[in-house]
Amino acid sequence: NAGVTQTPKFQVLKTGQSMTLQCAQDMNHEYMSWYRQDPGMGLRLIHYSVGAGITDQGEVPNGYNVSRSTTEDFPLRLLSAAPSQTSVYFCASRDGGVSSYNEQFFGPGTRLTVL
Amino acid sequence: AQSVTQLDSHVSVSEGTPVLLRCNYSSSYSPSLFWYVQHPNKGLQLLLKYTSAATLVKGINGFEAEFKKSETSFHLTKPSAHMSDAAEYFCVVSYRTNTNAGKSTFGDGTTLTVKP
Repeated sequence: NAGVTQTPKFQVLKTGQSMTLQCAQDMNHEYMSWYRQDPGMGLRLIHYSVGAGITDQGEVPNGYNVSRSTTEDFPLRLLSAAPSQTSVYFCASRDGGVSSYNEQFFGPGTRLTVL
Repeated sequence: AQSVTQLDSHVSVSEGTPVLLRCNYSSSYSPSLFWYVQHPNKGLQLLLKYTSAATLVKGINGFEAEFKKSETSFHLTKPSAHMSDAAEYFCVVSYRTNTNAGKSTFGDGTTLTVKP
């Protein structure tokens, strides 16, 4: 199993550009989520999904869109990039849908810089 | 509502000495608690988890944590630090309700430095 994969690993954008961060998992996990990691602030939840066709907002959703058309894929779209979105983005998945008992599996991260 | 406080942003120990990383949590419901480790420029890896079974939880690489409900704490310990333990450590709490959907809340992280 490849686990959770993310592409690209690095990206530089100009203010106002849009892009999609890709995330895929091959473990048939129901729950998938996107986090951003900023220095000294831990990981903050952007959006999450408890199954195909179901998404919801997390703690910091503004400026980001998601969709979940398949169990495997959970792309994150930046609509109009801003310097405040410079961060490291992690995708994660876990088994069990709404269950809180299972651990999350994390991708390797995408380091995004917005100029 | 739920929250996590990691009481130390940086901990420095000498190789071979004990490690203590402190975590307090707040949760309106019975929580699940996790410790993750992140090595530089890497993703997060699970160290251990508590899910209402035994209160003393053993994890990988010699780490363990004790759930203390009366103190709302879940501190991470290791008897003897190794150079390879140098990393960022995150305490995480989650719980499930009809509206929470098992979302996780992360602490701000503790950077562990191990001196030779």
